[in-house]
Amino acid sequence: HSVLTQPPSASGTPGQRVTISCSGSSSNIGSNTVNWYQHLPGTAPKLLMYGNNQRPSGVPDRFSGSKSGTSASLAISGLQSEDEADYYCTSWDDSLSGYVFGTGTKVTVL
Amino acid sequence: EVQLVESGGGLVQPGGSLRLSCAASGFIFSSYWMHWVRQAPGTGLVWVSRINSDGSSTNYADSVKGRFTISRDNAKNTLYLQINSLRVEDTAVYYCARDLAVPSAPGAFDIWGQGTMVTVSS
Repeated sequence: HSVLTQPPSASGTPGQRVTISCSGSSSNIGSNTVNWYQHLPGTAPKLLMYGNNQRPSGVPDRFSGSKSGTSASLAISGLQSEDEADYYCTSWDDSLSGYVFGTGTKVTVL
Repeated sequence: EVQLVESGGGLVQPGGSLRLSCAASGFIFSSYWMHWVRQAPGTGLVWVSRINSDGSSTNYADSVKGRFTISRDNAKNTLYLQINSLRVEDTAVYYCARDLAVPSAPGAFDIWGQGTMVTVSS
């Protein structure tokens, strides 16, 4: 079972801002950085954010990440139809000595 | 083009074994840590295992420890996952992924394969 908790869904109209939360503990987010992935079913996941708030080349600056304590957030501003996908956070867990993914959030563009 | 291509998935009975492969191209494979991640039908992504660049160090998720073995052949630019004592709950798409190798950002997987499906059923 996942140790990082995300809301199962989030939605917005085109142009709106959507925020996805990722709640963990002192053994993972509290002491390690957070990365975010975008995943369309049937395709390879895509790295969206690494090191809490760093965007890989090619990721639009509409996407931003932050971390505070044992929680992290991914914000999507200027929501577009192509943003409709599943989003996952992940972090190293010191207690498990392994990576943990969040439960995933399905973003719907209304 | 930087690419990862998985193969070796299929239908196997409970208790059986499979070896998954992940062929890398377009980058210096031997310089990167590599990972396996899986997604069971209707569920989320789950990290399975990782291996360092020369194959001397490995880690596993508790759910697969003792049954799965990750390895690599840097001469063949290929990553492997030997999966034994398969259970119904191992049914999933298995992805290989490259570690971005940023020391301040562990777990950043920047290149992923398209996945290979493993179905465990009698």
